Amino acid sequence: QKEVEQNSGPLSVPEGAIASLNCTYSDRGSQSFFWYRQYSGKSPELIMFIYSNGDKEDGRFTAQLNKASQYVSLLIRDSQPSDSATYLCAVPPNAGGTSYGKLTFGQGTILTVHP
Amino acid sequence: GAGVSQSPSNKVTEKGKDVELRCDPISGHTALYWYRQSLGQGLEFLIYFQGNSAPDKSGLPSDRFSAERTGGSVSTLTIQRTQQEDSAVYLCASSLSSGTGGNTIYFGEGSWLTVV
Repeated sequence: QKEVEQNSGPLSVPEGAIASLNCTYSDRGSQSFFWYRQYSGKSPELIMFIYSNGDKEDGRFTAQLNKASQYVSLLIRDSQPSDSATYLCAVPPNAGGTSYGKLTFGQGTILTVHP
Repeated sequence: GAGVSQSPSNKVTEKGKDVELRCDPISGHTALYWYRQSLGQGLEFLIYFQGNSAPDKSGLPSDRFSAERTGGSVSTLTIQRTQQEDSAVYLCASSLSSGTGGNTIYFGEGSWLTVV
């Protein structure tokens, strides 16, 4: 089992709909989670960080964390064509003394928002 | 600088040649990371620096790969005797420190390496 798993998609949603992206992780001790967005040919950019159970909202984006079930999801409300990108879930190491920036990434989910 | 700067942005090299990739992190960022992104492999961690030291080199795929950082700033990733499987985008990232606490990790635009 991969440490961080995502459905590679592609996920296609109509403009204005809610896009739901999911990520599961294997290390039960993982404390925090990142969502990155990567446009084709560009570098990943951080869009959300979550470490508490429940929901975290930032504009049209909502991250949901369920530690008991070991999944984290990203919801994009009122999806726009400009949201079309690959979304990467990333988990920092759980062990102390290890760099927080040593992220384990999922394979990414390709999202296409069509007009 | 304003962001993480990497050079060259694109490099085509012949199999067996050595290549050097350069990363200039955001000013003041003490932690620097190298990642590799290739088709079908996703983003994989290579090495990180805290200051000039590299506490974790566990992601380097072989002894052909090495990296150094001098002056707590610029880093160079060197690939010796390149192979076709080294073709990938090499991404550098930096953060204020390597500790916990939600330090945001900022990525550069990457160096696209093609080995022919």
